[in-house]
Amino acid sequence: EAGVAQSPRYKIIEKRQSVAFWCNPISGHATLYWYQQILGQGPKLLIQFQNNGVVDDSQLPKDRFSAERLKGVDSTLKIQPAKLEDSAVYLCASSPTRTSGGETQYFGPGTRLLVL
Amino acid sequence: AQSVTQLDSQVPVFEEAPVELRCNYSSSVSVYLFWYVQYPNQGLQLLLKYLSGSTLVKGINGFEAEFNKSQTSFHLRKPSVHISDTAEYFCAVSDQYSSASKIIFGSGTRLSIRP
Repeated sequence: EAGVAQSPRYKIIEKRQSVAFWCNPISGHATLYWYQQILGQGPKLLIQFQNNGVVDDSQLPKDRFSAERLKGVDSTLKIQPAKLEDSAVYLCASSPTRTSGGETQYFGPGTRLLVL
Repeated sequence: AQSVTQLDSQVPVFEEAPVELRCNYSSSVSVYLFWYVQYPNQGLQLLLKYLSGSTLVKGINGFEAEFNKSQTSFHLRKPSVHISDTAEYFCAVSDQYSSASKIIFGSGTRLSIRP
């Protein structure tokens, strides 16, 4: 079974530019997550989708970050405009359902963003 | 709200020595507990999880963890480590009653194995 795919793997931009990350979850997984992992910290949830609806976006900086999951499959996370503090690894994860909090999440390799 | 504290940011050990990575959590409700591992330049991978039942949980690659409710701990152990265990390890917690299955991660412990 193919894992969670993410692209690009690396991105360098200047502050105030925009950037987009793409994620393709494991086939059949209903729930998709985007995390931000700043160097030296654990991943922090930005947004969670159940199929193509948003379940939790309480920690998404909505003035500059946006995400969508059209057709309930792949997803795009956008930052516009980027700030220096957005430098981080952006991880996408998926899980089969959202029946309980004990479900295993499957992570992609991440996109490493550097904002100069 | 839940929180997770990983007491050691780095743990150096010699190959074939035992290791314990410490994790404490805080929550006002019952929780599920996880350990994820992140190898260099890779995403996270589940090592093991505690949902209910036996407090001793066995995971992949010879790791195990013990849930201690009175101590609010979920320490990870391995009796003999290998070079390939070099990675960052994250403890995480999830509210059993949340409908959103949100996971809160600790800040991680970097395990470095010396030959």
